[in-house]
Amino acid sequence: EAQVTQNPRYLITVTGKKLTVTCSQNMNHEYMSWYRQDPGLGLRQIYYSMNVEVTDKGDVPEGYKVSRKEKRNFPLILESPSPNQTSLYFCASTLYAKLAGGELFFGEGSRLTVL
Amino acid sequence: AQSVSQHNHHVILSEAASLELGCNYSYGGTVNLFWYVQYPGQHLQLLLKYFSGDPLVKGIKGFEAEFIKSKFSFNLRKPSVQWSDTAEYFCAVKGDNDMRFGAGTRLTVKP
Repeated sequence: EAQVTQNPRYLITVTGKKLTVTCSQNMNHEYMSWYRQDPGLGLRQIYYSMNVEVTDKGDVPEGYKVSRKEKRNFPLILESPSPNQTSLYFCASTLYAKLAGGELFFGEGSRLTVL
Repeated sequence: AQSVSQHNHHVILSEAASLELGCNYSYGGTVNLFWYVQYPGQHLQLLLKYFSGDPLVKGIKGFEAEFIKSKFSFNLRKPSVQWSDTAEYFCAVKGDNDMRFGAGTRLTVKP
């Protein structure tokens, strides 16, 4: 089944404790992206990747890192989480970023709480 | 920079009422336009999309949207909503490198 898989789905952590949210897709998509969803703000892009070893900042990259060593995986790293990073995170992918009409496929979401 | 505006934050309707959710965007180049739906506790799913051709596009579950280029709008419509349409709806604009989302409109349909 074609899907985007995120882990963990739920996480409660404390300020400063490094964590990684994994994202994996099995559709051979080149483009992958991370969003955070906050009430009243919609989805804001954190980082995106056009292809392996190519990543770029989105609108709200502060406090986050990503890597794209393989096509299928795009982990989101919070080196020193802070309470303002409490949010719902979505990973998404599409075949080619510039492909007309290509929609994003979303993971199930990861709800992160930083105390 | 491209941006997306959704006019209504929360819409409350009774079943069988008609729905129209507004979406305006700002972008200088060729865009692809999307509406996504997020049911409670779930991830975003595609409702419909426009990238060329007929500006009136039909999606799943009886939804449709009309692209009006001169108004930079892509409003979502449904003639008769059902209780199961209760969800959050996001308009999105795709440019060359990324996709931007509106803040979302929460739709509550009362039985």
